[in-house]
Amino acid sequence: EAAVTQSPRNKVAVTGGKVTLSCNQTNNHNNMYWYRQDTGHGLRLIHYSYGAGSTEKGDIPDGYKASRPSQENFSLILELATPSQTSVYFCASGDARQGFTEVFFGKGTRLTVV
Amino acid sequence: AQKVTQTQTSISVVEKTTVTMDCVYETRDSSYFLFWYKQTASGEIVFLIRQDSYKKENATVGHYSLNFQKPKSSIGLIITATQIEDSAVYFCAMREGGTGGYKVVFGSGTRLLVSP
Repeated sequence: EAAVTQSPRNKVAVTGGKVTLSCNQTNNHNNMYWYRQDTGHGLRLIHYSYGAGSTEKGDIPDGYKASRPSQENFSLILELATPSQTSVYFCASGDARQGFTEVFFGKGTRLTVV
Repeated sequence: AQKVTQTQTSISVVEKTTVTMDCVYETRDSSYFLFWYKQTASGEIVFLIRQDSYKKENATVGHYSLNFQKPKSSIGLIITATQIEDSAVYFCAMREGGTGGYKVVFGSGTRLLVSP
């Protein structure tokens, strides 16, 4: 079964500090995604990647960077965290090389910026 | 740009009845994929059902089915014989066609409450 693991699961950060959220998938999927979930907004796409070394901006990339050093790992980086970035973040993976089914989600990371 | 809109914020039904959740989408692609996901109370997000834009038949999986109206850019989710455990938030999503890298965008979700 497809597996996407996020770490940490919970994080409290200080305003202005650097935060890195990590995601690992063992599905050998080429596509990976970072979303944030806020009440009333559903899941909004921050960054995505179609393979190692690639990152693409999603719909709300401001204030975030992403890194895809390998097929398995995709990180979301907040260089200067702000309270408005308090949210639940989800990582997901999907594969389009042999047709396309769906994306598989991790369990989420709850980030609180104080 | 692709966009997915769910206008129903919440729906309440009595168990064993049928419920329909609405979703409309915007895309410039002639080929695309539409999905419905369920987020449980624990926060887990799971895939339910998919519709490929080139298929005329509505997809069905278990007690989930889709009402795909391509001219209206609409993809409704129908849950028949609802159960208490169907209570959750349901998201509609879309992926535009092509190969390689692609975006998957989601709607804002519809909360379903199924009561006895």
